[in-house]
Amino acid sequence: SAVISQKPSRDICQRGTSLTIQCQVDSQVTMMFWYRQQPGQSLTLIATANQGSEATYESGFVIDKFPISRPNLTFSTLTVSNMSPEDSSIYLCSVEKTSGGDTQYFGPGTRLTVL
Amino acid sequence: SQQGEEDPQALSIQEGENATMNCSYKTSINNLQWYRQNSGRGLVHLILIRSNEREKHSGRLRVTLDTSKKSSSLLITASRAADTASYFCAAPRPDNQAGTALIFGKGTTLSVSS
Repeated sequence: SAVISQKPSRDICQRGTSLTIQCQVDSQVTMMFWYRQQPGQSLTLIATANQGSEATYESGFVIDKFPISRPNLTFSTLTVSNMSPEDSSIYLCSVEKTSGGDTQYFGPGTRLTVL
Repeated sequence: SQQGEEDPQALSIQEGENATMNCSYKTSINNLQWYRQNSGRGLVHLILIRSNEREKHSGRLRVTLDTSKKSSSLLITASRAADTASYFCAAPRPDNQAGTALIFGKGTTLSVSS
């Protein structure tokens, strides 16, 4: 298994500001992903965080709005930029130790409220 | 596009009863995972079942997979109040563009009353 921590666990932000969410894993992993869960909804994949290169974004998500870094095999950040109330969601990172059909583990999530 | 679709959307039962949740998916998969989420917190991984497996057990959980019908079920036996949560099935993206990123169903909200 993998132990994943996220910081902050929750935050309340003003519109127009940015928030950076950190995801730390207790061991090296191949794959790291970022998901968004809007209120009362299921999870939607934002992007795959690639180590040493640009993230791969899903349709509807762009780098300017959700810049992602992954400097090594245990850490990644997601920034939510120029926030609006529609960005209020839970943001979760997940990891997979190997690529291809392995168990995917999730962090505890960051609950973001934008006023 | 959605890969997993759970039903029912909501389920209310009494403690001690069994709870069954179903998941259907659209394309061929090599595995399917079930997760639990308590009150909007992080997801807890329950079981991964591979396409060559028909049934898998973990404690009070039983998961089945029918690849011919593209469906899976999660059975929780002898439910407890602590089982109250949302349950999601998730299957790998069919196009593999993002490695094994998961596509989630809408989830089943289970409420167990004592």
